[in-house]
Amino acid sequence: DAGITQSPRYKITETGRQVTLMCHQTWSHSYMFWYRQDLGHGLRLIYYSAAADITDKGEVPDGYVVSRSKTENFPLTLESATRSQTSVYFCASRWTGDNEQFFGPGTRLTVL
Amino acid sequence: GQQVMQIPQYQHVQEGEDFTTYCNSSTTLSNIQWYKQRPGGHPVFLIQLVKSGEVKKQKRLTFQFGEAKKNSSLHITATQTTDVGTYFCADLPNTGNQFYFGTGTSLTVIP
Repeated sequence: DAGITQSPRYKITETGRQVTLMCHQTWSHSYMFWYRQDLGHGLRLIYYSAAADITDKGEVPDGYVVSRSKTENFPLTLESATRSQTSVYFCASRWTGDNEQFFGPGTRLTVL
Repeated sequence: GQQVMQIPQYQHVQEGEDFTTYCNSSTTLSNIQWYKQRPGGHPVFLIQLVKSGEVKKQKRLTFQFGEAKKNSSLHITATQTTDVGTYFCADLPNTGNQFYFGTGTSLTVIP
């Protein structure tokens, strides 16, 4: 089924562990985004990508790493998870020239 | 970075009452988008406004962009229980690719 998917949907990990959140879209959208959503902060951009092999920092990039070797995939890695990274993470994508963002279902991450 | 403020943070209304949420910025907004997020769901795009003073309608929803492009509003007429959720505004500056989201307004509709 076409669309934007995220995996896992739920993840519990421990402080200091590496965690990778996956995002896959089937529309061949150029742009992809990673947001975190925390109560009182709305959605904050972590990283975004304008195309394969092109990534850029958003508002809150510290502690996160991204890559985009293929247009359809945009994984987000927490190299050494901290409790402050407990959040709901949303991936989104959009076409070039069209500003409408399509969001994935989200990943709820808990860092103990 | 750019700050987009949204008020109120929470709103409880009786079913049938109207509801308005406001999005404000100290700097000029460029491309205002509105999203709705149902409880436990993900944000879903509603509309985009780009012109000063622009007004757009979607059934019971009316979206406005201020004349000075410093604010925007979403008004829902005669709320229904299906309107429950959090409404976000987001700005996309003309010079960049980064969206700046407001903190959202959580709407509760009491039957």
